Amino acid sequence: AQSVTQPDIHITVSEGASLELRCNYSYGATPYLFWYVQSPGQGLQLLLKYFSGDTLVQGIKGFEAEFKRSQSSFNLRKPSVHWSDAAEYFCAVSRMDSSYKLIFGSGTRLLVRP
Amino acid sequence: GAGVSQTPSNKVTEKGKYVELRCDPISGHTALYWYRQSLGQGPEFLIYFQGTGAADDSGLPNDRFFAVRPEGSVSTLKIQRTERGDSAVYLCASSLRGTSSGNTIYFGEGSWLTVV
Repeated sequence: AQSVTQPDIHITVSEGASLELRCNYSYGATPYLFWYVQSPGQGLQLLLKYFSGDTLVQGIKGFEAEFKRSQSSFNLRKPSVHWSDAAEYFCAVSRMDSSYKLIFGSGTRLLVRP
Repeated sequence: GAGVSQTPSNKVTEKGKYVELRCDPISGHTALYWYRQSLGQGPEFLIYFQGTGAADDSGLPNDRFFAVRPEGSVSTLKIQRTERGDSAVYLCASSLRGTSSGNTIYFGEGSWLTVV
């Protein structure tokens, strides 16, 4: 069965510092991979997704993620964090034949120090 | 608005009561989904509609949960004989198509259900 692990429940970074949020998945084949952000009053918003091709994926708001098959990872990065990035971040996977059925990790809450 | 709209945003109900949660998807989206998010967890898939029919309801936890989409647009999630364990945020989402790899799923802000 598919599963997603986000090992960090909370991460605190200073504004302007770089960020990396970890995501590991368990799946027998290459999955579809996603990162979503959830802010109060705004619902879940898709940051980026990986289906195939270039393993470095660019998303919105200056985020990027890299798919590493050998490590079963899809870590999210941002070179310089802004205070408005404080939110909950969810990694998700799905199967190619049922891409609507997202399996989410338990999330990482990002706190930004001024 | 252009997004997925859910009502009510908050609902408090007594154990054993019946509850309906409504979702209005993005106009033109044929695919609609319900997910449930418990406190401190990521969302969990409940059901997927393609048009009017439930294409996959494998995530519904038991027969107290039922969802409909009679005209292929608005959907209602119905919960009978609510239990305290049903307390969660119920998220609705929609997409232009269901299983296309280029599909982006757009989520609503959710309906927070509390069963007391």
